[in-house]
Amino acid sequence: EIVLTQSPLSLAVTPGESASISCRSSQSLLHTNGYTYLDWYLQKPGKSPQLLIYLVSSRASGVPDRFSGSGSGTDFTLKIDRVQADDVGVYYCMQPMQSPPFGQGTRLEI
Amino acid sequence: EVRLAQSGAEVKQPGSTVKLSCSTSGYVFTDFYLYWVRQAPGEGLEWVGLIDPENGESFTAERFRGRVIITADTSADTAYMELSGLTFEDSARYFCALIAGVRGTWGQGTQVTVSS
Repeated sequence: EIVLTQSPLSLAVTPGESASISCRSSQSLLHTNGYTYLDWYLQKPGKSPQLLIYLVSSRASGVPDRFSGSGSGTDFTLKIDRVQADDVGVYYCMQPMQSPPFGQGTRLEI
Repeated sequence: EVRLAQSGAEVKQPGSTVKLSCSTSGYVFTDFYLYWVRQAPGEGLEWVGLIDPENGESFTAERFRGRVIITADTSADTAYMELSGLTFEDSARYFCALIAGVRGTWGQGTQVTVSS
């Protein structure tokens, strides 16, 4: 199985500052087809998780460019610039290659 | 647009069985695994299992083996998850999810409450 380990598990940020979340995989997420299957989701309070970033660094439709993803192989980072109050929730990295498909989550508070 | 629509809330007695549905649209149902995930109040996500709709093969997290049956009806583009031997600890919101890159979408969740 693939284990995704996120850090930190919680993060308190002042509005306007930046935040970074790390996701480390126990195995490479680089597929033989050349794609790296690592996505980021945000679960806002009381809601279902919503897609933010897919294939490491591509923003989903409607996601502000304050959100960016980077990384390769086993190490990945989600960066949020100019954090806003609406960004609060739990951020998860996810991968579809093996189960379990997600990390423990990182709680972002303002 | 990809959509996952889940069945309504359930209240069950301990020891009983619940069957949840997840109706999909907006993509080719047999092209991607469909995941089942649960979330107890105030807790994180917990993977329950998944199904490959193309061949009906399912995989279940070890802690749920023997209690979970996941199926898919390709004629209706719908997946089902049946959980038996319910205990109070099974009270949670259950999600179906498509974790598939740009198509990544989660259902709204089904609240299952186990109560005597």
